[in-house]
Amino acid sequence: AQSVSQHNHHVILSEAASLELGCNYSYGGTVNLFWYVQYPGQHLQLLLKYFSGDPLVKGIKGFEAEFIKSKFSFNLRKPSVQWSDTAEYFCAVNAAAGGADGLTFGKGTHLIIQP
Amino acid sequence: EPEVTQTPSHQVTQMGQEVILRCVPISNHLYFYWYRQILGQKVEFLVSFYNNEISEKSEIFDDQFSVERPDGSNFTLKIRSTKLEDSAMYFCASSEAAGGYYNEQFFGPGTRLTVL
Repeated sequence: AQSVSQHNHHVILSEAASLELGCNYSYGGTVNLFWYVQYPGQHLQLLLKYFSGDPLVKGIKGFEAEFIKSKFSFNLRKPSVQWSDTAEYFCAVNAAAGGADGLTFGKGTHLIIQP
Repeated sequence: EPEVTQTPSHQVTQMGQEVILRCVPISNHLYFYWYRQILGQKVEFLVSFYNNEISEKSEIFDDQFSVERPDGSNFTLKIRSTKLEDSAMYFCASSEAAGGYYNEQFFGPGTRLTVL
């Protein structure tokens, strides 16, 4: 079974600061990796995903993540955050072997951007 | 842009009652999922559904739960006899494929279930 750890449960940053949210997973096989975001009052939306190829993945709104297989990590980064990035961020993983495999989520990181 | 919809947005029920949560997945998607999030906890996978049958299910998805695709558009989650601990936000999701690039799961807005 997979598991996902997100190291930071609450992060507070000022606008224009750089962001890095940690995510580590455990699973014995090949995985697909995802970052989802949930803005206040809205539903989960995909920020970016990794399924194969280039380990540096670019997503929407200037976010990127790097898959480091040796470290079982998929950290989310953004060079300069905006107030509108205030949201809950979830790292998730599922098995790449196919089948309708459910996502295993981390506990989430609540990000607050101060103007 | 197509989206997953869920009804109702909030359901309040008495312990022991049956509830049915409804979802309309994105029309060309073939794989459907239910998740739940108990307040303050992580989002947890319940079940996936493909080709009119359960594909995978978690330990949470016991005999009290069932899923159905009663017609060409709806996907339902039934809880037969609700317990207090079933109180949670329930999310439906759908995906075009199960693997590869198109396995992105699109989530609905959720149904908040409160069991009294």
